[in-house]
Amino acid sequence: QQQVKQSPQSLIVQKGGISIINCAYENTAFDYFPWYQQFPGKGPALLIAIRPDVSEKKEGRFTISFNKSAKQFSLHIMDSQPGDSATYFCAASRGTGFQKLVFGTGTRLLVSP
Amino acid sequence: GAVVSQHPSWVICKSGTSVKIECRSLDFQATTMFWYRQFPKQSLMLMATSNEGSKATYEQGVEKDKFLINHASLTLSTLTVTSAHPEDSSFYICSAPGTNFFHEQFFGPGTRLTVL
Repeated sequence: QQQVKQSPQSLIVQKGGISIINCAYENTAFDYFPWYQQFPGKGPALLIAIRPDVSEKKEGRFTISFNKSAKQFSLHIMDSQPGDSATYFCAASRGTGFQKLVFGTGTRLLVSP
Repeated sequence: GAVVSQHPSWVICKSGTSVKIECRSLDFQATTMFWYRQFPKQSLMLMATSNEGSKATYEQGVEKDKFLINHASLTLSTLTVTSAHPEDSSFYICSAPGTNFFHEQFFGPGTRLTVL
């Protein structure tokens, strides 16, 4: 019940296209859902996060869509750029950032020029 | 704001030696820090929660005597890998909750440990 399932494992998108990564969770106590971007040899960087009281959050080219009833959330990267090529992790936790994050398995995104 | 640093960024050591990794919150105080390890092309695995002034809380299956954690101040947590072996070679990453409204976790740049 602590797992967060993430798909796809890898994704290739053409420059300018939309990248979509999906995550699903079981634990209904989760109430904080961040997305992290990680480049090789670097630590994860927080991209965007959402709470279950809203169904969508947009920051620049990045949008989180949240479906509470389906226990699913997704990351959309609009106008994908080669610089977006990285590994993306979804995560979930109960409460604030002082709580443990449960990470998805990661999606390796490659944006072709 | 909310910058987390780690030192060293990479370390190579001989089997049987101990290695200390530092995690610092540079512009904020962190009463809690988290330590993760990450194997190549895999997700982050939480090892332990570091609490300032008290004992760390280890995740199931993590050897507390092998991975010693000390959170001696509000800006510094250290992870010591004792009697390191090649199977301990990994990418170790720390994180800390920031001071914004949701106390979102910010991660350090990671430390690459290679045990020969």
